[in-house]
Amino acid sequence: NFMLTQPHSVSESPGKTVTISCTRSSGSIASKYVQWYQQRPGSSPRTVIYEDNQRPSGVPDRFSGSIDSSSNSASLTISGLKTEDEADYYCQSYDSSNYVFGTGTKVTVL
Amino acid sequence: EVQLVESGGGLVKPGGSLRVSCAASGFTFTNAWMSWVRQAPGKGLEWVGRIKSKTDGGTTDYAAPVKGRFTISRDDSKNMLFLQMNSLKTEDTAVYYCTSQYDWVFDDWGQGTLVTVSS
Repeated sequence: NFMLTQPHSVSESPGKTVTISCTRSSGSIASKYVQWYQQRPGSSPRTVIYEDNQRPSGVPDRFSGSIDSSSNSASLTISGLKTEDEADYYCQSYDSSNYVFGTGTKVTVL
Repeated sequence: EVQLVESGGGLVKPGGSLRVSCAASGFTFTNAWMSWVRQAPGKGLEWVGRIKSKTDGGTTDYAAPVKGRFTISRDDSKNMLFLQMNSLKTEDTAVYYCTSQYDWVFDDWGQGTLVTVSS
């Protein structure tokens, strides 16, 4: 089994850009797709990025995803931060029939 | 509109059993793979297990911490998903979410049901 490690928290001002990393402990990050989920306080998670860099309908294009094989990590970038983006974000990937979530990152909009 | 509504959570003693349910609507449940994901109080998300559609074999897979204790089943005639939890431990205390799954993506989520394991 592998782990996905994220920074515990990030904070930035409205209108700015934040990037959250997700590092895979073993196996190539590029070998399996990475998803990102947003969980606002008191709510269920929702998908904001799937298959590394695809946005579901209804998710603004301020959200983008990428993969970096050199660091074996995925990243979620949120540009033009809004107060509504304040939430916990989780990356997720898989291996065989095992699905793994990242440790989670709390995004605070100052 | 897709709806996933969990029910059946509650307080149970260590070593006890509980079955939680998920009522699905708004999509073709018969064709869907379904998963359970849990979240302990103040903690992150943890995949519990998955059941494939019957056309894909209807097989189940489980996370290591629950394997042998939890069982996922489905009733396609009623659009229902179930999670039978036996030999419960205090560390199983969590909100349990029902999710529809498409390939490797957890697509739609229910509102969750709280299971508390405590003496």
